[in-house]
Order: sequence, then C-alpha cells, then structure tokens
Amino acid sequence: NAGVTQTPKFQVLKTGQSMTLQCAQDMNHNSMYWYRQDPGMGLRLIYYSASEGTTDKGEVPNGYNVSRLNKREFSLRLESAAPSQTSVYFCASSGSGIDTEAFFGQGTRLTVV
Amino acid sequence: RKEVEQDPGPFNVPEGATVAFNCTYSNSASQSFFWYRQDCRKEPKLLMSVYSSGNEDGRFTAQLNRASQYISLLIRDSKLSDSATYLCVVNIRGYGKLTFGQGTILTVHP
Repeated sequence: NAGVTQTPKFQVLKTGQSMTLQCAQDMNHNSMYWYRQDPGMGLRLIYYSASEGTTDKGEVPNGYNVSRLNKREFSLRLESAAPSQTSVYFCASSGSGIDTEAFFGQGTRLTVV
Repeated sequence: RKEVEQDPGPFNVPEGATVAFNCTYSNSASQSFFWYRQDCRKEPKLLMSVYSSGNEDGRFTAQLNRASQYISLLIRDSKLSDSATYLCVVNIRGYGKLTFGQGTILTVHP
C-alpha cells in the first residue's frame, strides 16, 4: 500500500549541479503536484499536472522543469541548482473529483551549498 | 493578495482548552475546502473536509461561510498530541488544483 513514493529523501547539491526528484503514485490519480515548503512560507505550488501529458505552472515555477511521464509518475528537475532552492519538496496526488483528498509523499530535503 | 490566508500563530494553549483557527480565501469560485494537519518534518495529511452545513469529527468542528469566504476549525478539549501545523486548503472550480494556506502552528502544553 505504497501511496505516493518520492525519491530521494535527502540530497545535498553544489550550486550549479542538476538533479531530478522522482515521484510515483499507485492510486490511479489524475492530478499530481510538486510543492516546496520553506519555514514560515507554507506550501507553495511549483507545478501541477491535471492529467497525463499536461503540466501547468504554479506559484513558484522558476528554476524548475517537470515531466509527467505517464499517469503514475511526475518528476521535478532542477537544471542548475541555486542556494535559494534549498527547501523541503513534496509530491502529492489527488483524484479528479472536486472533493478528492490529496495524498503526499514523505518529502525530499534538499540542501544546495 | 494570497488566495488562501491563515493566521500563522503560533497558538500556545493548555491541555483541555478550546482553540479556533480561521482561514480566508479570495476566489469566490472556490468549491471544496479542507483542513490538513502537518506534524514536524512530516508530510501533510487530511484532517477533515469542510462542508457547507458544517461538520464535526469528535473534538474537531469545521465550518464554512461562503458569503464571507472563510472557513474555520474548532478544536475542543485540546490534547498534547494536537500540537501540529494546521493547513487550510481550497480547490478552485475549474482549476483542478489544491491551494494551501501557510499554516497555523498550534502548541498544546501541559
């Protein structure tokens, strides 16, 4: 009963390095999301995908790219990491109904030095 | 103006106290509403949905006021285990995405 699985759980990058955060869900959900959470800032939406093959920018998309590879997977890529991208990243998924609950992965703690 | 706004607190209350949180939303097309709970360094989890008629789950009561565009969460008889961050969430009709408030920190002390 995996739900939403994110990898890795922890990562340290040097400024300018690139990496991809992976997310997969096994609940047959259409919608998937990437959020970042910084102290005192709450959850801010980076990108979301309402269905396979579609992605839309959220509140803070600069510096990130996403790929909805199929219905299960939604990856987040940092092409050139910056210290300002140090944060906790959460992937989430939800069904299509308006009252649907969102389920979150356990988060990725990323530090850019 | 943020789409969803909450008083960040922190709220520090003794065990047994009643505490209430409010959340306002700016988009009148908001269609569904939720409260999530987030424990320190953990992922958010659904606490309860919020319905127009109001709903209760044990010590927790959620209310929605569409005219004034706010939702509330009331916690009665607070327990130490209620210490967490409470997140207000709205789903805007036609947008297919959930928008989170910044969260309200609650600490319940002995």
